[in-house]
Amino acid sequence: DQQVKQNSPSLSVQEGRISILNCDYTNSMFDYFLWYKKYPAEGPTFLISISSIKDKNEDGRFTVFLNKSAKHLSLHIVPSQPGDSAVYFCAASGAYSGAGSYQLTFGKGTKLSVIP
Amino acid sequence: DAGITQSPRHKVTETGTPVTLRCHQTENHRYMYWYRQDPGHGLRLIHYSYGVKDTDKGEVSDGYSVSRSKTEDFLLTLESATSSQTSVYFCAISESAGPGLGGYTFGSGTRLTVV
Repeated sequence: DQQVKQNSPSLSVQEGRISILNCDYTNSMFDYFLWYKKYPAEGPTFLISISSIKDKNEDGRFTVFLNKSAKHLSLHIVPSQPGDSAVYFCAASGAYSGAGSYQLTFGKGTKLSVIP
Repeated sequence: DAGITQSPRHKVTETGTPVTLRCHQTENHRYMYWYRQDPGHGLRLIHYSYGVKDTDKGEVSDGYSVSRSKTEDFLLTLESATSSQTSVYFCAISESAGPGLGGYTFGSGTRLTVV
């Protein structure tokens, strides 16, 4: 049972336009939501996060929106740049799950292509 | 990435052979994780460690074991490799129990092929 879902495997956007990546989750116990960016042959790198007590968090060109009632979050990239082309993973973390760790659950990822 | 290295970066092994992947960190973080990434599955947690000699299973732990005898090293062992374990393996570290708002730091990955 997939708890974090990224239903769009890929997305193409023109340079300078807005990229919107979506993520849905099913576990109402999730407290933190994170986005990671991954280039080929590299590890994922942390991009931006949001706590469940907020509905928006901005960092430069990146904004994450959280709609708790819909169990939905989205990542907006404005303006999109060719260097943003990567796979984006949505991840969520919930309450204590035992043995001292709050594990991250990842979606399957969305491949973003920004076309010059 | 600075502070976390994985070795080897690439490995090809035969079915039935044991394989050990190493994750080494210089950040003195308490928590370490092993994930695997497969097409159509994203990243899935294999095992994690919350201190020296303290480990626990993740979502896809069958066929894998781990050991952590020092803070800086977390080893992942495939006792008898199978083709289904062909994957890219990522190690991650974190300073606190949960990712909080800062996330985990990931290594560059090990691409393992079992033939």
